[in-house]
Amino acid sequence: GDSVTQMEGPVTLSEEAFLTINCTYTATGYPSLFWYVQYPGEGLQLLLKATKADDKGSNKGFEATYRKETTSFHLEKGSVQVSDSAVYFCALTPGGAQKLVFGQGTRLTINP
Amino acid sequence: EAGVTQFPSHSVIEKGQTVTLRCDPISGHDNLYWYRRVMGKEIKFLLHFVKESKQDESGMPNNRFLAERTGGTYSTLKVQPAELEDSGVYFCASSRPLRTASSGNTIYFGEGSWLTVV
Repeated sequence: GDSVTQMEGPVTLSEEAFLTINCTYTATGYPSLFWYVQYPGEGLQLLLKATKADDKGSNKGFEATYRKETTSFHLEKGSVQVSDSAVYFCALTPGGAQKLVFGQGTRLTINP
Repeated sequence: EAGVTQFPSHSVIEKGQTVTLRCDPISGHDNLYWYRRVMGKEIKFLLHFVKESKQDESGMPNNRFLAERTGGTYSTLKVQPAELEDSGVYFCASSRPLRTASSGNTIYFGEGSWLTVV
């Protein structure tokens, strides 16, 4: 079945460091790919998405590129801030379906 | 435009009691979903409504869970009787009608209802 595998956390970085959170997927058809973020004490928010191969989603300085050849959707940010501390979830919707399949989440902590 | 709203935000109940969670989707969103995350594990799909009909309930864990969406507006998720392993956060989400198979409709989440069963 469809699945998402995320880089295991927790991840701790210093402010202004470069961030990569790896995400790979297994899916039939042509899934859409998403990154959701959950800040402390808040709900899930859509961070960015990509709906077809080679699309790049971007938001708040974060980027992820839909790589069909490597079945990956890695999240990157060039310079992280303390306010980026949160849990990040990679997810997909299988082609033609509306059901989100999530990875296990990666807790990110940024120290000043 | 109001987002997806959930009530209660937090609930602590004893094992064997009943809890009912409510979700109000974004206005105009025919699709409504319930997900849950238990004990730091991945977020898992529970079920999907299209208007008042259950489109997919393959993720419902057992018959102690009952979801309804009368009239196709708000939805309730009842857990009766609650067990310790039901503790976690229950997310509701909604999205617009899916117009094409590959449109990748964005799914918007509420802040979750945090359930603790003691």
